[in-house]
This record gives sequence, structure tokens and C-alpha cells, in this order.
Amino acid sequence: EPEVTQTPSHQVTQMGQEVILRCVPISNHLYFYWYRQILGQKVEFLVSFYNNEISEKSEIFDDQFSVERPDGSNFTLKIRSTKLEDSAMYFCASSGPGERLYEQYFGPGTRLTVT
Amino acid sequence: RKEVEQDPGPFNVPEGATVAFNCTYSNSASQSFFWYRQDCRKEPKLLMSVYSSGNEDGRFTAQLNRASQYISLLIRDSKLSDSATYLCAPQGATNKLIFGTGTLLAVQP
Repeated sequence: EPEVTQTPSHQVTQMGQEVILRCVPISNHLYFYWYRQILGQKVEFLVSFYNNEISEKSEIFDDQFSVERPDGSNFTLKIRSTKLEDSAMYFCASSGPGERLYEQYFGPGTRLTVT
Repeated sequence: RKEVEQDPGPFNVPEGATVAFNCTYSNSASQSFFWYRQDCRKEPKLLMSVYSSGNEDGRFTAQLNRASQYISLLIRDSKLSDSATYLCAPQGATNKLIFGTGTLLAVQP
């Protein structure tokens, strides 16, 4: 069964450094998403992406964040200058096409630790 | 009012029991609703989709009450492997999911 994959599984970085989290969505999916989950808290929406542009972004997704689909398979989340409060699990998800358009499937996540 | 509210639990039930979780949501415009299960430190896994009044899949039944803006999940004949956190997720604008904090289920032998 097709799966969303994410790399790395764990990233440790120093405050102020840039990180890029990578995702390979399910191959025929059309919509792509990033969510994050701070330890012990709920899963929070960051951004949705469709047709090579951002569809919606949350208040969390400020100027320090950006997303890109550099080729036909990868979907990346970049944090330009990491803060301690960016420490969280980051999940990529994808959905579509067809009648199951809205069913989102999640990758295993990247645990980001900012020190 | 929170966007999505769930009883955090934990629900401690014996194997074989029937257990029900409720979830209320504030956005009356939501059209699609989902239940996910999340194991500790893992990703949410899609359990059920609810587009109309309800859906049934084996031991799992989800029901939607649009008038009262709540969704329920019923698990029959609980198994040890059902132990997890169950997340309610109505869909907002542009397909984003709005997650509740989840309900923790612990099935005891």
C-alpha cells in the first residue's frame, strides 16, 4: 500500500539554524499538508499546498517557514531560523484524487529538537 | 468555544467491552469528518471518514449529528490492540484538518 515517507526521522539543530524537512507524498495525490505536534499537545495545521501554491496557512506559519515542491515527488518544509519553540513532531500528509479527495494520509513524522 | 472538543479520558475498559467517544465541533460549515487513531509518538492513522449521517466498518461505527454538531465513535468488542488515542478531525476550509486533543483508550486484559 502506498505510504507517505519523511526524512529525517529525527533532526537536532541549534537555535538560529535553518532546517529542511523532507516528505515524499503518495504518488498520485494532489494536495499536500504540513502539521506539527508539540509533545503532549494536539496536532496543529501549518500549511496546505495545491497546484504548486499555498492554499492556506495558519498563524504559526510565519515568514520563517516556507514550503516547496522542487520536483514531481518531494515536498519540503523549511524553517529559516529555528527557535526553541519550534521543537515538535512535524507530520507531512497528502490526499486525493477522486472520491477520497479529502482523506489525508500522514507520514511517520520528523522529530525536530532545537537546542 | 473550542473548535473541537473531546473528552481526554483515559477510558479504561476490559477486553470485549463496547466504548463510545464523543466529539463536538464549532464550525457548522464543516462537511467532512474523520476519526484518526494515534499510537504514542506515532503519526495519526485514518480510521474512519464520515460524510453523511454515519459510517460502519467492522467493529467501528461513526455517527454524525449536524444539528448538534457532534460526532461519535463506537468500538465494539474492544481488543488490546485498540489501545491508542482517538482523534476527532472535522475538515475546515481548503481541506485542512482541525484536530481535537484526543481521547485516550486503554483496553485491559
